[in-house]
Amino acid sequence: GAVVSQHPSWVICKSGTSVKIECRSLDFQATTMFWYRQFPKQSLMLMATSNEGSKATYEQGVEKDKFLINHASLTLSTLTVTSAHPEDSSFYICSAREGVSPLHFGNGTRLTVT
Amino acid sequence: GQQLNQSPQSMFIQEGEDVSMNCTSSSIFNTWLWYKQDPGEGPVLLIALYKAGELTSNGRLTAQFGITRKDSFLNISASIPSDVGIYFCAGPGLNTGNQFYFGTGTSLTVIP
Repeated sequence: GAVVSQHPSWVICKSGTSVKIECRSLDFQATTMFWYRQFPKQSLMLMATSNEGSKATYEQGVEKDKFLINHASLTLSTLTVTSAHPEDSSFYICSAREGVSPLHFGNGTRLTVT
Repeated sequence: GQQLNQSPQSMFIQEGEDVSMNCTSSSIFNTWLWYKQDPGEGPVLLIALYKAGELTSNGRLTAQFGITRKDSFLNISASIPSDVGIYFCAGPGLNTGNQFYFGTGTSLTVIP
């Protein structure tokens, strides 16, 4: 149980384009979803927290107009990296929880912006 | 965001040895979670702790929620090669609402 599916696994895009990453909870209702960013050999940095049907809460320093998060249903959240630049290249990981249960993670998306 | 410090940063051990690592926070936590991450994948939950002083095992893994609520420990007994990976602690601070923050990580290498 508690399976989180993230898609795509990897994406390469050109600078200036936008990329959408999907995160789905397959066998539970994700009342809260989290988006993290991870650079090589570093820890996971929380970008934003979203509750279904509400606006996401962004961490300090994360541009909400750059990283658009939508949590429109209890099983789906999306992260859109708008006008991507090479410095946005990173490993993006979503996680989800139902109520107060522990976080369960997707397998991440490797974004490379050329 | 919340800062969680893990030590040691990295470990190189022989197969069969026991491993200990810890995680400390500057503020009180009401939940501690331990995850393992393999390269290129998302973290996988190992153990969840919910009460100060709680000691929980999952196979060869044992984790404890520190009495001060500002630290937690993870022990791995009789390590095997597949224990290789990065171990993270995580949790929400008391005053951070629903946000979960991750520790700096401990990289474990097991030498066969």
